[in-house]
Amino acid sequence: GAGVSQSPRYKVAKRGQDVALRCDPISGHVSLFWYQQALGQGPEFLTYFQNEAQLDKSGLPSDRFFAERPEGSVSTLKIQRTQQEDSAVYLCASSNRDSSYNEQFFGPGTRLTVL
Amino acid sequence: GNSVTQMEGPVTLSEEAFLTINCTYTATGYPSLFWYVQYPGEGLQLLLKATKADDKGSNKGFEATYRKETTSFHLEKGSVQVSDSAVYFCALSGSSGGSYIPTFGRGTSLIVHP
Repeated sequence: GAGVSQSPRYKVAKRGQDVALRCDPISGHVSLFWYQQALGQGPEFLTYFQNEAQLDKSGLPSDRFFAERPEGSVSTLKIQRTQQEDSAVYLCASSNRDSSYNEQFFGPGTRLTVL
Repeated sequence: GNSVTQMEGPVTLSEEAFLTINCTYTATGYPSLFWYVQYPGEGLQLLLKATKADDKGSNKGFEATYRKETTSFHLEKGSVQVSDSAVYFCALSGSSGGSYIPTFGRGTSLIVHP
């Protein structure tokens, strides 16, 4: 496809379960971002990759959150021992260069609900 | 740190009405400014952007002017349509230190009635 895709679109987890969220960026895009969007809020930065290198993970809320992009394309955001406060929409975005001027292309998001 | 403040929603208008959604920001240096739109069930899409003071971004009848003196980037459209109903996010990036990490506002929901 031409756009950023994310899977699953919806995920329900029991508290304490581990989850893995996948992002397929636009082919050839160097930069990849993960965001967390709580209900009624704007996206909050979690982490940033340039190719396979994770250059910034300052937004990850705890050490239960882990992201990887081993081959510089697909990325996975993993949340261990999920808590209710992790319930949110997780957005992935990619960009073809590392530039503040550049448009980010967003996926539709994964809505995570932790019971 | 950087911050973006948008007017509270929802904004409810009749078709063909004039739209203004206010956005002000706090940042050091000279950030780039963006408006993104999110239609129901879809991801955010870039609507328009401006990269320096006094620049005007425009797209699909929407406009916003980068006002450094008032640190604002208000979104306007002269005549809204039902299809413009969506959530609009103001954002900035590239402030002092060259930060590439965008900062988003909370979003403003727009509802346009026929």
